[in-house]
Amino acid sequence: KQEVTQIPAALSVPEGENLVLNCSFTDSAIYNLQWFRQDPGKGLTSLLLIQSSQREQTSGRLNASLDKSSGRSTLYIAASQPGDSATYLCAAQGGSEKLVFGKGTKLTVNP
Amino acid sequence: GAGVSQTPSNKVTEKGKYVELRCDPISGHTALYWYRQSLGQGPEFLIYFQGTGAADDSGLPNDRFFAVRPEGSVSTLKIQRTERGDSAVYLCASSLFGGNLETQYFGPGTRLLVL
Repeated sequence: KQEVTQIPAALSVPEGENLVLNCSFTDSAIYNLQWFRQDPGKGLTSLLLIQSSQREQTSGRLNASLDKSSGRSTLYIAASQPGDSATYLCAAQGGSEKLVFGKGTKLTVNP
Repeated sequence: GAGVSQTPSNKVTEKGKYVELRCDPISGHTALYWYRQSLGQGPEFLIYFQGTGAADDSGLPNDRFFAVRPEGSVSTLKIQRTERGDSAVYLCASSLFGGNLETQYFGPGTRLLVL
């Protein structure tokens, strides 16, 4: 059974700092790894999807990497802004359609 | 274009009552998913529809939970004899064809509170 863990559970940084969020998964037989953002009281917004054959994906100030063999993914946020404050969730998709989520990292960027 | 919509946004009910939660996927999306998110947790998979049929219902916790998608678009999640432990945010997502190369697009969720 796939299990996804995110560390740290919460992170507070000053504006402008570069930061890394970590995600680990127990079953390396995944098809993709996705990162989502969730704002309070809102649904999930997809940020990046990394296919199992890829090692990283980039979108603007966001870069996500995937190392299947070690069961790890990282989300790098460059030059953080207060508007980046949210909960970030990673999710692994294996042979079925369902996504298996971690509990998320709550990020606060202080002005 | 319009995203995934869910109604109601909030639902308060009493233990033992029946509730229905509705999801309108993005137009043309054949795949539809239901997830449940408890406080402080990540979303947990409930059920996946491909068209009108439930292709995977392995996440439904028990037989009090049932979902339908009769015309391959709108879906309704039905919960009988609600319990306090059913309190959570119920999220719906859709994707164009399903499969593992596509992003799932999520709605804002229905916040269910069982008193």
